[in-house]
Amino acid sequence: DVKVTQSSRYLVKRTGEKVFLECVQDMDHENMFWYRQDPGLGLRLIYFSYDVKMKEKGDIPEGYSVSREKKERFSLILESASTNQTSMYLCASSLAGQRYEQYFGPGTRLTVT
Amino acid sequence: AQKVTQAQTEISVVEKEDVTLDCVYETRDTTYYLFWYKQPPSGELVFLIRRNSFDEQNEISGRYSWNFQKSTSSFNFTITASQVVDSAVYFCALSEWGAAGNKLTFGGGTRVLVKP
Repeated sequence: DVKVTQSSRYLVKRTGEKVFLECVQDMDHENMFWYRQDPGLGLRLIYFSYDVKMKEKGDIPEGYSVSREKKERFSLILESASTNQTSMYLCASSLAGQRYEQYFGPGTRLTVT
Repeated sequence: AQKVTQAQTEISVVEKEDVTLDCVYETRDTTYYLFWYKQPPSGELVFLIRRNSFDEQNEISGRYSWNFQKSTSSFNFTITASQVVDSAVYFCALSEWGAAGNKLTFGGGTRVLVKP
């Protein structure tokens, strides 16, 4: 069974803290993605990775960075968390190729106070 | 730039009614794929259906059907005889093929509430 897991379902952090969100997939997928989901805005792509150590900015990369040292793991880093980064964060993975669907993790609801 | 619009923010129906979700997209690509995803209250998005741009045949899969019309850039999704378990947020998405892999552009989502 296809599986994407995220390290936490709920996370509360203080403004200015460095925050790590971890995502692991067990499907040997080439592509991995980080989205944030806010009411009325749908899913917006933050960063994605198409290979180990390769990354590309999505639509809203400001304030975020990513790391992919191993194929199965993709980390999202908030260098200095701010209240406007309070959101639901979703990780996804897929095979390489336009026709392939993305598989999503359960999401991490991050609150920055 | 690609864009996906789901004009309906929320739809409420009574069980056994049909529900049609609208999706309109914009793209300059000649080859692309469209997807529908479901996000139940648990939060995890689940892939439902996929359609490619060069096959306009509409299909039915169980209680789901979809109507793809390239001329109007629409990809509508219908749930027949809705059930309470269909209550969720539904997202339409458009794939974009780039040199660095496949990205999806999502619409804003439509919340469906099925009342018993």
